[in-house]
Amino acid sequence: QSVLTQPPSVSGAPGQRISISCTGSSSNIGTGYGVHWYQQFPGTAPKLLIYGNNNRPSGVPDRFSGSMSGTSASLAIAGLQAEDEADYYCQSYDSSLSGSLFGGGTKLTVL
Amino acid sequence: EVQLVESGGGLEQPGRSLRLSCTASGFNFGDYAMSWVRQAPGEGLEWVGFIRGKAFGGTTEYGASMKGRFSISRDDSKSITYLQMNDLKAEDTAVYYCSRDVYSSGWYFQEKWGQGTLVTVSS
Repeated sequence: QSVLTQPPSVSGAPGQRISISCTGSSSNIGTGYGVHWYQQFPGTAPKLLIYGNNNRPSGVPDRFSGSMSGTSASLAIAGLQAEDEADYYCQSYDSSLSGSLFGGGTKLTVL
Repeated sequence: EVQLVESGGGLEQPGRSLRLSCTASGFNFGDYAMSWVRQAPGEGLEWVGFIRGKAFGGTTEYGASMKGRFSISRDDSKSITYLQMNDLKAEDTAVYYCSRDVYSSGWYFQEKWGQGTLVTVSS
């Protein structure tokens, strides 16, 4: 079981705003280690979406945003589009594990 | 253009060994840490481990379940990073991705990813 907990699935209609939570603990997000988010389409490699809690790499639309508070982080997608349907993973460092870890992933369905 | 190409995957028997390679191009390979991440069929991402760049001694770190059986190395002259997997188990069956890592907010994230190579462990 992942130390970073994500909802297995979320859904929303086109144009809506959704958020995906990533709940950690005092040994990872709560210690201030950055949270990063990845997007993965079926059969393809993951792609970096957000790094360092709330930074977008070049080419990622500003509809995607990240935030962090306490021991949790969130990925928000505004103006939902059909092509956003994918799996999303959060990631951080855990000091008790002395390594990186991923959340279990969230499947986004665009209705 | 940054490119990462994994190779070496395939079908292997339990208890045997396998070495994966990740050949990089389009950037100064020695300056970057490189990670391996795996994904079992239908499952989520699992961090295998990584190797730091030469400026940081090329030291390695591993996920808890990988320690002892897996080892990561690099050949900066060839721009290749390797994942040596020993005593393979059925649960090692997965797509293995390599990535170029960047340091931020206390640790590294996977900035660029290869397309992955499938490892199947079965008798």
